[in-house]
Amino acid sequence: GQNIDQPTEMTATEGAIVQINCTYQTSGFNGLFWYQQHAGEAPTFLSYNVLDGLEEKGRFSSFLSRSKGYSYLLLKELQMKDSASYLCAVKRERYSTLTFGKGTMLLVSP
Amino acid sequence: EAQVTQNPRYLITVTGKKLTVTCSQNMNHEYMSWYRQDPGLGLRQIYYSMNVEVTDKGDVPEGYKVSRKEKRNFPLILESPSPNQTSLYFCASSATYNSPLHFGNGTRLTVT
Repeated sequence: GQNIDQPTEMTATEGAIVQINCTYQTSGFNGLFWYQQHAGEAPTFLSYNVLDGLEEKGRFSSFLSRSKGYSYLLLKELQMKDSASYLCAVKRERYSTLTFGKGTMLLVSP
Repeated sequence: EAQVTQNPRYLITVTGKKLTVTCSQNMNHEYMSWYRQDPGLGLRQIYYSMNVEVTDKGDVPEGYKVSRKEKRNFPLILESPSPNQTSLYFCASSATYNSPLHFGNGTRLTVT
């Protein structure tokens, strides 16, 4: 089976940097996704890592260490609109299901 | 506009009354899937489909059926809904099995 852990909630201040961690335990690994979900809306894709290292996309970066079963999402220059739930999702094998963590609710305050 | 369309957005029904939630995508995506989202449990995959006539169970398939007779459509069928199926349902599609998912706007189902 799979186990994906993320912090339940985080708070940060506008303009700051925040790191949201995700640890996973899985038999086999075929990629890790990060999604953003605003309240009452559908999730939207942020990033995808399949190899170790950092992927940067504007204010958002995502890091993966497969040997440690660990990923993080880094959000820089936080804005109020970044208040949302951030979902880590792991794909285990080529044709397997995509399993989501329970999500981290980020609250950005002025 | 590229999109995944789910209908209806809201549905209230009674126990045992068969219902279908439709899902259609206009991106010619091969991969489609259904998720339910519940407080404290996150998104859980119900069924997925790799292509036409190819479907497989996700993590919580009990009480649900799906079909994929055309590439664009992937309906979710609840033959005999029960109150524990009250949830927010999302349909999603992607170009391939490891491409980013595009989600529909969700269907909030209440079974009384």
